[in-house]
Amino acid sequence: EAQVTQNPRYLITVTGKKLTVTCSQNMNHEYMSWYRQDPGLGLRQIYYSMNVEVTDKGDVPEGYKVSRKEKRNFPLILESPSPNQTSLYFCASSLYGASGRITYEQYFGPGTRLTVT
Amino acid sequence: AQSVAQPEDQVNVAEGNPLTVKCTYSVSGNPYLFWYVQYPNRGLQFLLKYITGDNLVKGSYGFEAEFNKSQTSFHLKKPSALVSDSALYFCAVRDIDGGFKTIFGAGTRLFVKA
Repeated sequence: EAQVTQNPRYLITVTGKKLTVTCSQNMNHEYMSWYRQDPGLGLRQIYYSMNVEVTDKGDVPEGYKVSRKEKRNFPLILESPSPNQTSLYFCASSLYGASGRITYEQYFGPGTRLTVT
Repeated sequence: AQSVAQPEDQVNVAEGNPLTVKCTYSVSGNPYLFWYVQYPNRGLQFLLKYITGDNLVKGSYGFEAEFNKSQTSFHLKKPSALVSDSALYFCAVRDIDGGFKTIFGAGTRLFVKA
């Protein structure tokens, strides 16, 4: 089954304790992305990756890191989490279009609900 | 800068009536436009997209949307609403020549009453 998986699904942690949220897709997609969802703000893009070893900042990258060492995996790292990073996080992936433009829709993981106290 | 506006936080409609969820966008170039739906405790699911061609696009579950370049709108429509359509709907835009960012609207919650 084609899917995007995220782990953990729920996480409660304390300020300053480093954490990693994993994301994996089995569709051989080049493009992967992380979003956070907050009430009234919709989804905001944190980081995205066009392929292995190629990443770039989205609109809200502060406090986050990512890496893309393998095509299927795109972990999100919070080096020193703070309460304002309490949110619902989604990983997504998509193909490129033939022109190199991303014409295809994104496939989303089930989400990770993070609480930082 | 790219932006997406969904002017209604919530839309209420009776089952069997037509529904419209509004979306307007702003990009510097030409847009790729998408609609996604989110059911409770689930990730987002793709409904439909406009890339090029016919301004009226049809998608999953009987939904359709019309791209209007002059009004920079991409409203989501369905001729006859179902209770099961109740969910959170997101419009998203990507600027064709603006890189690989995707901008989402704040979302519109649709309530369909039996």
